[in-house]
This record gives sequence, C-alpha cells and structure tokens, in this order.
Amino acid sequence: EAGVTQSPTHLIKTRGQQVTLRCSPISGHTSVYWYQQALGLGLQFLLWYDEGEERNRGNFPPRFSGRQFPNYSSELNVNALELEDSALYLCASSSDRVPGNTIYFGEGSWLTVV
Amino acid sequence: AQTVTQSQPEMSVQEAETVTLSCTYDTSENNYYLFWYKQPPSRQMILVIRQEAYKQQNATENRFSVNFQKAAKSFSLKISDSQLGDTAMYFCAFMKPSSPTFGNEKLTFGTGTRLTIIP
Repeated sequence: EAGVTQSPTHLIKTRGQQVTLRCSPISGHTSVYWYQQALGLGLQFLLWYDEGEERNRGNFPPRFSGRQFPNYSSELNVNALELEDSALYLCASSSDRVPGNTIYFGEGSWLTVV
Repeated sequence: AQTVTQSQPEMSVQEAETVTLSCTYDTSENNYYLFWYKQPPSRQMILVIRQEAYKQQNATENRFSVNFQKAAKSFSLKISDSQLGDTAMYFCAFMKPSSPTFGNEKLTFGTGTRLTIIP
C-alpha cells in the first residue's frame, strides 16, 4: 500500500512568487494535514482538511491557503513568498472516523525562498 | 490549548545502552492520545509508539516503551538496547478527539529531542 506522497520534493522560488505543493493521502484516508517545519524549529500546524472542508487552521497569515479535492488529495498554496517561508512542508493523512487513529506523514517538500 | 514540552534538546548515549526521553503536556481533557514520532536525517516522520489516555497499561513496541503518568501529565519514551539506527529527532505529540463522531484533531508537537547513538 502506498504511503502519503508529496510533490515536488524540492523547489526553489524567488521572494514574492507563489508556490503550490501537492499531497496524496493513503488510500482510504479522508483527513489531510499540513505542517511547516522551519530549520531548527519544531512542527507548526498549518491546515487540516477532511471530506473536502477546512476543519482547522494554524496561526499563519492568509497567504497560506489550500484545498482538498473529491479524491481527498490536497494542495497547499503560498502566495507572496517571503524568505522565512523556507522550510520543509509535511503533509499527513489519517482515517476519518477512528478517534486517535495514527497520522501518517509523507516525506515532505523542501521549499527554499531566495 | 494544549501544549507539549520536551525539556531535553539533545541527548547522546552509547550503543546498546538504554535512554529515556522526557515529555510533559498540559491539557484539561480527560480523553486524548499521545504519540512519539521519530525523524531521522531523511526527515521522514515515522510513528514510534502511541498511547491512549484511557488505557492505564503503558504501550510497548519491541525496544520502545513508554512511561505514561496521567496525573503528572508525563509521557516519557524509553529506548532499550539502543542501535545506531535510532539516531534521530524524536517528537512527542498530543491529540484530542474533536468530538465523539468526528474522531481526529490535529497533532500538537513538542520541540523535539535530538538523540545521537554513539558507536
């Protein structure tokens, strides 16, 4: 069974540009989570989608947005990139209605903003 | 809001020894879930072990075990017979169910402990 897959794995963008990161959850999982892990810092919660709806949002500016598609895959969009957006962006998925079910992570997308 | 604290930024131990990583958390919830994740240099987050708060028995997975003290809000990870492949960042994480019908909430992570196993 395939795990959580993310693309692209690495990318470099210029300050002010826009970026879209993609995530495919494990088959059967309907919840998708996005986390930001800046260098030397812990994981900061960005967004949580389930059944196509945004369920929760972390303390990030509105230029961070996303969506979840009918097939439960998800996109994270970041507009007007700033240097401090350079980080590893981790996507994770879990089963929808099982309390405390394990959240599984992808390998992440490395974003460098120059 | 829930908070998770890992007070040991870095630890090192000789191969084959036992090491314990500390984690404390703050919550007013009675039912919740606790996790330890491992992040090796490849940066893939890997689940090590999970604990359900309503279970008094400490979780165990092979060489990994936890000491869950609910009253003290403490959730430490013990690694026995440590191996070189255990070298990684270890994150403690907390999750509460958002509702009886909607199972999951987001994970709240601690800041991590960098563990180095010395040959």
